[in-house]
Amino acid sequence: QITLKESGPTLVKPTQTLTLTCTFSGFSLSTTGVAVAWIRQPPGKALEWLALIYWDDDKRYSPSLRSRLTITKDTSRNQVVLTLTNIDPVDTATYFCTHRKSGSSGPEKYFDLWGRGTLVTVSS
Amino acid sequence: DIQMTQSPSSLSASVGDRVTITCRASQDISNYLLWFQQKPGTAPKSLIYAASSLQSGVPSRFSGSASGTDFTLTINNLQPEDFATYYCQQYKNYPFTFGGGTEVEIK
Repeated sequence: QITLKESGPTLVKPTQTLTLTCTFSGFSLSTTGVAVAWIRQPPGKALEWLALIYWDDDKRYSPSLRSRLTITKDTSRNQVVLTLTNIDPVDTATYFCTHRKSGSSGPEKYFDLWGRGTLVTVSS
Repeated sequence: DIQMTQSPSSLSASVGDRVTITCRASQDISNYLLWFQQKPGTAPKSLIYAASSLQSGVPSRFSGSASGTDFTLTINNLQPEDFATYYCQQYKNYPFTFGGGTEVEIK
């Protein structure tokens, strides 16, 4: 059974760096085709895709946040870490991590399981 | 970025109703379309992938279809546990983008 759980600070001050951890079980991020992504949702607003890391350490970022985001993995600890620098109140959101299946074809490589998310508030 | 236009933004329905939600992509995404359900405080739940394939464990009253860049999620025989917000997501091109969501409320 695959599970994912996001963790990190609930309150962050502007200009600080936010570090979030996705701890997962039931799969290995060294398995070919597997990936983990981060998504966020500001209160009452739309979902925004942030970053993704593949089993082979290939990474993809949202172009609008690329300069501020870093995604890394620790395969031995079953964790994916997202850092967001120079944080601002507009970064207040619930942050989710999600598992991407390896799949046998392109469309079958989809995000099948999600964590419950962690709410991060940015305020001084 | 590919824009995903989802409609309606909300709807009211009764238990037993048939509900239809649509998503239009701003460019060709083939069938790289995911539908998922979100309830407050819980993990989002993926329902339909590849536009029309049912995720394992999801009730068969949920179905998806595609016509070009238009995608539809249909819920037949709406159940009390189906009252939630539904989103589409394209995963063809980075950045993967989402529709604005459809809140399904109890009439």
